[in-house]
Amino acid sequence: AQSVTQPDIHITVSEGASLELRCNYSYGATPYLFWYVQSPGQGLQLLLKYFSGDTLVQGIKGFEAEFKRSQSSFNLRKPSVHWSDAAEYFCAVAPGGYNKLIFGAGTRLAVHP
Amino acid sequence: DVKVTQSSRYLVKRTGEKVFLECVQDMDHENMFWYRQDPGLGLRLIYFSYDVKMKEKGDIPEGYSVSREKKERFSLILESASTNQTSMYLCASSKGGGSAPAGQHFGDGTRLSIL
Repeated sequence: AQSVTQPDIHITVSEGASLELRCNYSYGATPYLFWYVQSPGQGLQLLLKYFSGDTLVQGIKGFEAEFKRSQSSFNLRKPSVHWSDAAEYFCAVAPGGYNKLIFGAGTRLAVHP
Repeated sequence: DVKVTQSSRYLVKRTGEKVFLECVQDMDHENMFWYRQDPGLGLRLIYFSYDVKMKEKGDIPEGYSVSREKKERFSLILESASTNQTSMYLCASSKGGGSAPAGQHFGDGTRLSIL
């Protein structure tokens, strides 16, 4: 069965530091992969998505993610974190058909000033 | 700007009540979804709809039903609310068709408490 694992439940970084959030998926074929962000009290906002082609994808708010087929990973990165990046981040995979998504459990990011 | 609107941000109901959660999207999207979000579990799909009057069960449909009479509106119904249905409920929509799935657009959620 398809699944998404986000190994880190909570991560704390200092403002200005670099960030990497991990995501591993289990899916037989080439997946469609997404990262979403949820600010407190808000719905989810799409940060970026990967379908095919260049394995390094750029998203909004200065985020990027790299698809590594050999590691079944799609890690999210940002070179310099801002206090406003504090939120919960969800990785998701779309196995196909009707745009259904399977979400990971999320990683809550805290940013220290 | 695209918009998915959930009728209530906060809702308190009593055990056994029939509860309706409403969602409206203004993007003319074919697909609509209902999720519940619980700490440590991420988002779990309850039901989705890919067309008017069409629905499919998601991963946790028990205790819920849905209605889609118009393309822009997707309702989630708790037939007889129970305390274990206390949760955050998120509605989403996405464009249908095409060769690759489009991203889903989410509402701000309804935090439902069942007492």
